[in-house]
This record gives sequence, C-alpha cells and structure tokens, in this order.
Amino acid sequence: EPEVTQTPSHQVTQMGQEVILRCVPISNHLYFYWYRQILGQKVEFLVSFYNNEISEKSEIFDDQFSVERPDGSNFTLKIRSTKLEDSAMYFCASSEGTAIGYGYTFGSGTRLTVV
Amino acid sequence: QKEVEQNSGPLSVPEGAIASLNCTYSDRGSQSFFWYRQYSGKSPELIMSIYSNGDKEDGRFTAQLNKASQYVSLLIRDSQPSDSATYLCAAPATGNSGYALNFGKGTSLLVTP
Repeated sequence: EPEVTQTPSHQVTQMGQEVILRCVPISNHLYFYWYRQILGQKVEFLVSFYNNEISEKSEIFDDQFSVERPDGSNFTLKIRSTKLEDSAMYFCASSEGTAIGYGYTFGSGTRLTVV
Repeated sequence: QKEVEQNSGPLSVPEGAIASLNCTYSDRGSQSFFWYRQYSGKSPELIMSIYSNGDKEDGRFTAQLNKASQYVSLLIRDSQPSDSATYLCAAPATGNSGYALNFGKGTSLLVTP
C-alpha cells in the first residue's frame, strides 16, 4: 500500500536553530499538507500546498515557517529559528483531492524536540 | 471559529461489545466528515468518510451522519482489544478554500478483554 514517508523520525534541536523536516508524499497525490500535534493536544493544520504553491495556511504558519517542493518527490517544512513551543509531532499528509472530497494519508511523523 | 467537538473519554467497553463514538460540529456548511484512528505515538489513520445523511458501513465500522443535528458518530461492532486507540473526528474547514481539516481532540477508546 502506498505510504507517505517522513524523515527523520525524531529530531532534537537547540532553540534558535533551523530545522528541515522532510516528506515524500504518495506519488500520484496532488495535494500536500503539514500538520502538527503538541503532546496531548489535537492535530492542528499548518499549511497546504498545491500546484507548487501554498494554497492555504493557518495562523500558526508564520514567517518562521516555509515549505518547498524542491524536486518531483520531496516536500519539506523549514522552521527558521525554533522556539521551545515548536516542540511537537509534525505530520506530513497527502491526498488526491481537496479535503472536502478526500481524506488524507498521513506520514508516520517527525517528533521535534526543541531544547 | 469552526469547531469539531468530541468527548475525550476514556470510553471503556468489553471485548465483543459495540463502541459508540460521537462528534458534533459547528459549521452547518460542512459537507464531509472523516474518522481517523490514532494509536499512541503514531499518526492518524483514515478509517471512514461520510458525506450523506444516514449510515455508511465498512466491515465492523458504521459511520452515521445527521446534518440537521450536526452530529456524526462511529460505531464499532464486535470491539477488539486492538481497537483500543484514540478516534479523531474531522471535517473540512469550509469558508475557505477547503484544503484544511479541523480535527476534534479525539475520544480515547479502551476495549477490555
């Protein structure tokens, strides 16, 4: 069964450092997303990406965050200057269509710990 | 703020019983709803989607939608210990372009042998 692949599975970084989280979406999917889940809290939308541009972003996705699809397979989330409150599980997801008609397939996640 | 609300539980049912998980939503414009299962420390896994009023069955799972009452439920028949997980209800964040999903906080289900 097709999978969304995320690397690394766990990343520890010092406050103020830049991190890049990587994802390989399912190959025939056209819509890509990043979500995060702070421990014990709900899954929160960060950003969606379609046709090589951001289609929607939440209030959480401020100037510290950016996304990129550097080639035909990878999808990355960059946090420029990490803060303690960025510690969370970050999930990449992809779908064939928009959220109204399609559910997502989530990757296994990257646990980001900012110290 | 469009919300998806779930009772956090835990909901405890004996093995073989029916587990009933409930979800309410605030946006009357929501057209589709999704149930995800999330094991501790893992990512959400899509179980079912439902778009029309009424019931939709898939194996041991039945999703029920009542748009008039803004209510979605998930029934799990013949519950197994392996069903013990947190169940997340989600709906598209309509009013924008429809790319984002709003998730509830999830209901923790414990199936006891």
